[in-house]
This record gives sequence, structure tokens and C-alpha cells, in this order.
Amino acid sequence: DIVMTQSPDSLAVSLGERATINCKSSQSVLSSSNNKNYLAWYQQKPGQPPKLLIYWASTRQSGVPDRFSGSGSGTDFTLTISSLQAEDVAVYYCQQHYNFPPNFGQGTKLEIK
Amino acid sequence: EVQLVQSGAEVKKPGESLRISCKTSGYTFTNYWIGWVRQMPGKGLEWLAIIYPGDSNIRYSPSFQGQVTISADKSISTAYLQWNSLKASDTAMYYCVRGYYIDYWGQGTLVTVSS
Repeated sequence: DIVMTQSPDSLAVSLGERATINCKSSQSVLSSSNNKNYLAWYQQKPGQPPKLLIYWASTRQSGVPDRFSGSGSGTDFTLTISSLQAEDVAVYYCQQHYNFPPNFGQGTKLEIK
Repeated sequence: EVQLVQSGAEVKKPGESLRISCKTSGYTFTNYWIGWVRQMPGKGLEWLAIIYPGDSNIRYSPSFQGQVTISADKSISTAYLQWNSLKASDTAMYYCVRGYYIDYWGQGTLVTVSS
């Protein structure tokens, strides 16, 4: 199984500031056949199922605000929120969708400072 | 509009059996993988199993192989997750999900196992 490790476990950022969450996979999730990184990011608010933000490491899901962006390749990835809004308070998960089981990271709790 | 609508909350005793369901609509059921993800209280997300209804290809996470059974009924576009003998440690929210990267989630089914 591919193990996904996020850092930090929790993060407090001021409104309007940048938030950065990191994700590392235990093996590369870059496919040599199509040159795509099989990495997704989700946002989960209390009492709700998670919501897909980013897939293929950097492709924003339809309807997701452009303050959310994903980057990275191979084994190291980053989710960036360029200007934190109050509604972004949530737990964020990375996930590899390269093979089964498509494991998630442990989650990063994002709060307002 | 794509929808995954799950069956309601369940309260069971240890040793009992259970099957929960996920009724889908708004897309071609046989063209997408559909699976189940567990979230224990206050914890993260874990994959249990996935099925491709088009050819009934099934994969189980090693941790859940033999513990649960996934199935699908193409005639009614519905996926299922079944336990033969529940344990207290099966208490969790279970989400029905579409795809390896999950673009659609069910609303969740809370399963509580307690004596």
C-alpha cells in the first residue's frame, strides 16, 4: 500500500493570509504512461462528507474557488490557499488515486489564528 | 444531476449482520468504480472496498478483506456493503463514493454497534 503523510497535523492562519499543507507519498504517484500525478485533495467540514478540491495534483474541481491550488510531483505535494477565508476552516486530506487502496493522508486541521 | 443516496442510520448488536445500500442516479452506473470509505468517530478516512459494476471487478483493502462484502445490482444502480458479524469496532460513518478520486460522495450512513 502507498502510505500518505501530511504535515502539519494542524495549522492556524490569519484571515487573508496564505495557508500551505504538505503531503508526501511513500512511493511515486507519477504515471510514466501519461505523465500525470495521481494525487487529490479534499476539504471536510464538520458533519459533512468530504468535498473534492483538486485532482491530478493540480486540476481544480469545477466550482472550487481559485484561491485553492495544488502543486508538486512524484512524492511531494502541496495544497495552497492563497488568501484564507472564514469558510475555509476545515480538515484537509490528500489522497493518492494511483492504485488500490487509494489511501488518504491523516488529515490537517486548518483554523483561524 | 449525479446523486448517491445511502440508506439510513443503523443500531445493531455485536454479532448481528447488516447490509447498507447506496442508490445512484444521474450517470451510467456500469461506467464508474463505486466504493465504500469508513470514518470512525473523530478520525480520518479509510478505504474498505471498491467495485466496477460493468464487469463486477472487486478490490478490498487488505485490512478489510474477509470483514466486509461489497456488491452491486446493475438493474437498480445500487451498491451494497455487508457484514456477517458486526463488532463494536465497526461503529463508524460509512460513505458511498464514486471513483478512485472521489468526485461524488453519499451523505453517509452511521452504523452504531453496541450491546
